[in-house]
Amino acid sequence: GAGVSQSPRYKVAKRGQDVALRCDPISGHVSLFWYQQALGQGPEFLTYFQNEAQLDKSGLPSDRFFAERPEGSVSTLKIQRTQQEDSAVYLCASSFQMGGSYGYTFGSGTRLTVV
Amino acid sequence: DAKTTQPPSMDCAEGRAANLPCNHSTISGNEYVYWYRQIHSQGPQYIIHGLKNNETNEMASLIITEDRKSSTLILPHATLRDTAVYYCIVRVAGSGGGADGLTFGKGTHLIIQP
Repeated sequence: GAGVSQSPRYKVAKRGQDVALRCDPISGHVSLFWYQQALGQGPEFLTYFQNEAQLDKSGLPSDRFFAERPEGSVSTLKIQRTQQEDSAVYLCASSFQMGGSYGYTFGSGTRLTVV
Repeated sequence: DAKTTQPPSMDCAEGRAANLPCNHSTISGNEYVYWYRQIHSQGPQYIIHGLKNNETNEMASLIITEDRKSSTLILPHATLRDTAVYYCIVRVAGSGGGADGLTFGKGTHLIIQP
């Protein structure tokens, strides 16, 4: 596609519910990142994939967060037993280069609200 | 990644040049200066990056001081659509290893006034 696509655009979850957020990167992009953005703050790194390999997951806030990219294209961020503090915008970014020297392309994000 | 300092907000009149400053006094020799912006309800958008020479593209110009401790992003003719949060980030250009993630601060909220 022309850009990075994320779905759903909005998600309301009841506390304790599991959610899955999808990212369709630009075709052929090697690097894929997930970020979390709380209201009024800049995005914060969660995890990084190079093709299907998850090379860094140091930003995942707890073991309730899990990300995968099994075929090196589409990625899913899963949050188990959601809590109110998980409410945020979740952004996906991709780059055709390893390391994104010439910039990343971000999706518009998924706004998660946990009630 | 080195830390950056930006003013929290700025105003600029439509049609004028918007000059956004960034201090990065602890930048290392192999770290680049990147600028991104985030328009409301959208993901961040790459604008420009540079190492030590001034850079220009269709969106903006980047002026980096000779000692590389600060830089200025210039939007030459600001429009209402340039209202956004602008992030200045310093990082080593990707080597292909590790996370290479971007460390965003709070950025500068630029408001273009009609």
